[in-house]
Amino acid sequence: GEDVEQSLFLSVREGDSSVINCTYTDSSSTYLYWYKQEPGAGLQLLTYIFSNMDMKQDQRLTVLLNKKDKHLSLRIADTQTGDSAIYFCAESKGDYNTDKLIFGTGTRLQVFP
Amino acid sequence: AAGVIQSPRHLIKEKRETATLKCYPIPRHDTVYWYQQGPGQDPQFLISFYEKMQSDKGSIPDRFSAQQFSDYHSELNMSSLELGDSALYFCASSLSTREGARDTQYFGPGTRLTVL
Repeated sequence: GEDVEQSLFLSVREGDSSVINCTYTDSSSTYLYWYKQEPGAGLQLLTYIFSNMDMKQDQRLTVLLNKKDKHLSLRIADTQTGDSAIYFCAESKGDYNTDKLIFGTGTRLQVFP
Repeated sequence: AAGVIQSPRHLIKEKRETATLKCYPIPRHDTVYWYQQGPGQDPQFLISFYEKMQSDKGSIPDRFSAQQFSDYHSELNMSSLELGDSALYFCASSLSTREGARDTQYFGPGTRLTVL
């Protein structure tokens, strides 16, 4: 989306860590999400973070949020070939009246052996 | 666990025809969202419903309409189809929290619409 930017491609070797970055513009966003999309498939929710948090860890996934710079990152430890997909960050105000998701442009992660 | 169900999964239509996409949310979820994802694009919000009422509206063409029924399932009706309507259409559902905010959106597998 025009308000949420991501780098288009990332290529990593199997076993290395991957870091996918996202820059958003709406400082009033309450929730920030990471979704994974495999070719021809739906959107799988990976993790999310509230705007009042700096970091969230969930198994191999670590989300870092720098609210001052409006920067969000997703680190995948020990990246596997099954992690190859497009990763979208998304923001939402999460309030009653407007909780639509604004998606980033998506980052295509390619994992090679 | 039950997920969001969408039907059909694939749909092929001619220009100027109509199409109806259906979405069955996760049981007990009261909010449904529709998104459109063009080829190589990010998903774009179309419209959402809470308790059968439209709650938010995005970049949905006038040729499209949607509603949520008493059993909480939703249908997206698309008329006068154009080539540019070819896309993946996602439905998502969520549950309102006690504080009035909305919980995480869970997506269905999508309906791939091809307009010839």
